Amino acid sequence: KQEVTQIPAALSVPEGENLVLNCSFTDSAIYNLQWFRQDPGKGLTSLLLIQSSQREQTSGRLNASLDKSSGRSTLYIAASQPGDSATYLCAVLNAGGTSYGKLTFGQGTILTVHP
Amino acid sequence: KAGVTQTPRYLIKTRGQQVTLSCSPISGHRSVSWYQQTPGQGLQFLFEYFSETQRNKGNFPGRFSGRQFSNSRSEMNVSTLELGDSALYLCASSFEGFEAFFGQGTRLTVV
Repeated sequence: KQEVTQIPAALSVPEGENLVLNCSFTDSAIYNLQWFRQDPGKGLTSLLLIQSSQREQTSGRLNASLDKSSGRSTLYIAASQPGDSATYLCAVLNAGGTSYGKLTFGQGTILTVHP
Repeated sequence: KAGVTQTPRYLIKTRGQQVTLSCSPISGHRSVSWYQQTPGQGLQFLFEYFSETQRNKGNFPGRFSGRQFSNSRSEMNVSTLELGDSALYLCASSFEGFEAFFGQGTRLTVV
């Protein structure tokens, strides 16, 4: 059974800092890994998708890496801003027919960036 | 292009009633998945539909059911509501299992 863990559970940083969010998963047989952002009471916004054959993806100030063999992914946020404050969720899609459409989520990292 | 649309956004129901939630996926996406999000359990997978067929199901009681129509729109139904069913219900659509896109969710409150 796939399990996803995110560390830290919460993070508070001053504006401008570079920061790293961590995600680990127990089953390396994944199809892809996705990072999401969730604002309070809202849906999930997809930030980055990494296919199992890829090592990293970048979008603006965000960079996500994937080490499938060790079961780890990191989300790097450069020059953080107050508008980055949200909950960040990591989710994996397992390979194989029994995993159709089933993302397994971590518990999330609550990020607060203060001015 | 239009994103994933969920209706209604908010619902208040009484214990024992039933409820139907709707999800319209992104045009061209045939896979629709449903999730329940609660503070204690986080995001949990309910089921996935593809071309009107349920391909996968999570560990939820039979009170939770769903269906998908020929236009890929999906509905989920919860019968005999319990207080513990209060949650944010999220729908996601994807193209053949690639990147998942989520709607804004339906907030269900059971009183």
